[in-house]
Amino acid sequence: AQKITQTQPGMFVQEKEAVTLDCTYDTSDPSYGLFWYKQPSSGEMIFLIYQGSYDQQNATEGRYSLNFQKARKSANLVISASQLGDSAMYFCAMRFSGGYNKLIFGAGTRLAVHP
Amino acid sequence: GAVVSQHPSRVICKSGTSVKIECRSLDFQATTMFWYRQFPKQSLMLMATSNEGSKATYEQGVEKDKFLINHASLTLSTLTVTSAHPEDSSFYICSARDPAEGGNNEQFFGPGTRLTVL
Repeated sequence: AQKITQTQPGMFVQEKEAVTLDCTYDTSDPSYGLFWYKQPSSGEMIFLIYQGSYDQQNATEGRYSLNFQKARKSANLVISASQLGDSAMYFCAMRFSGGYNKLIFGAGTRLAVHP
Repeated sequence: GAVVSQHPSRVICKSGTSVKIECRSLDFQATTMFWYRQFPKQSLMLMATSNEGSKATYEQGVEKDKFLINHASLTLSTLTVTSAHPEDSSFYICSARDPAEGGNNEQFFGPGTRLTVL
């Protein structure tokens, strides 16, 4: 069965510092995709970054990078130079082949950025 | 990126009434849309996969007779919460995948609908 685990219910970071949000997953599917989404208090889901299971390089999108360790089945999100606007819930999600590419989500991590 | 809208954004209804939530893909055709429910301070739970022109596929534990899904066109899926009760109060979010987008098969999310049942 597929499963996504985020073990940090809450994290805080000082403005301009970097922070790592943890995500581990479990699947027997050889082909899968890993996503990170940000959800501010407004509720909208904002796509941040994607990593495919066959991608050789770690994904990067601006201040976001994904530390993909396939053997460990982890896909941690690194946010560099944190900003006050980064305060939000962050969800890791996995898409697996079959089943219309549906996503399953982790429990989420609430990030608070302090000035 | 592609845009997905939801209507209404917020609805309050009396217990026992039915509520319809619309999800539209504004600039692409979506053969598949997804409906999620999110309780306060919890994660998104997939309720069902909505397929244009065919029956929705419900996740285990989701009552298909209570949560009616209709995917009438390539740009519109509706979720009807029938005979709503206070325990149905939640944040409902839809998403859609643009099949024309290659690469990561990103899902685009609607802004969500907050349902409160009194």
